[in-house]
Amino acid sequence: EPEVTQTPSHQVTQMGQEVILRCVPISNHLYFYWYRQILGQKVEFLVSFYNNEISEKSEIFDDQFSVERPDGSNFTLKIRSTKLEDSAMYFCASTPLVNVEQFFGPGTRLTVL
Amino acid sequence: AQSVTQLGSHVSVSEGALVLLRCNYSSSVPPYLFWYVQYPNQGLQLLLKYTTGATLVKGINGFEAEFKKSETSFHLTKPSAHMSDAAEYFCAVSGSGSARQLTFGSGTQLTVLP
Repeated sequence: EPEVTQTPSHQVTQMGQEVILRCVPISNHLYFYWYRQILGQKVEFLVSFYNNEISEKSEIFDDQFSVERPDGSNFTLKIRSTKLEDSAMYFCASTPLVNVEQFFGPGTRLTVL
Repeated sequence: AQSVTQLGSHVSVSEGALVLLRCNYSSSVPPYLFWYVQYPNQGLQLLLKYTTGATLVKGINGFEAEFKKSETSFHLTKPSAHMSDAAEYFCAVSGSGSARQLTFGSGTQLTVLP
């Protein structure tokens, strides 16, 4: 069964460093998403991506964040200068159509020291 | 704007007992509603969804939920809890944006007692 994959499973970085979180969505899907879950809190929407551009973004998704689909298979989230409060689990999701199930990856746990 | 409220951050039931996890939502558009389950150190897995049509929806692992528009609720139930049901459960509603991103509740941790 096709699944969304994410790498790495755990990333540790120093405050101020850049990190790139990688996702491979399911191959025939068209909509891609990043969500995050700070420890003990709810899952929060960051950004959605369709047709090679951002379609929606939340207030959390400020200028330090960017997304890219560099090669037609990978979908990346870049955090330019990490802060302590960026420590969270980051989930990638994809769906073939809106209003149907979003398929989630296993997540990347980001720890900023 | 969309929002989801899950009553009870922790619910404990005995094995074999009824599971009831509560979810209320608000939505500016006709809602599409979802329940996801998260096992420790894993991602989110869809249990069931309501989009249109029948208001009682059945999902995996014996779970079901009923969409009640008048009560703005989408409670999750299972007649008989199993130890393997212990997990965190998230209710979510799709947004009004073009990509219909999900707004999640704060989650309910279900513990099943032997």
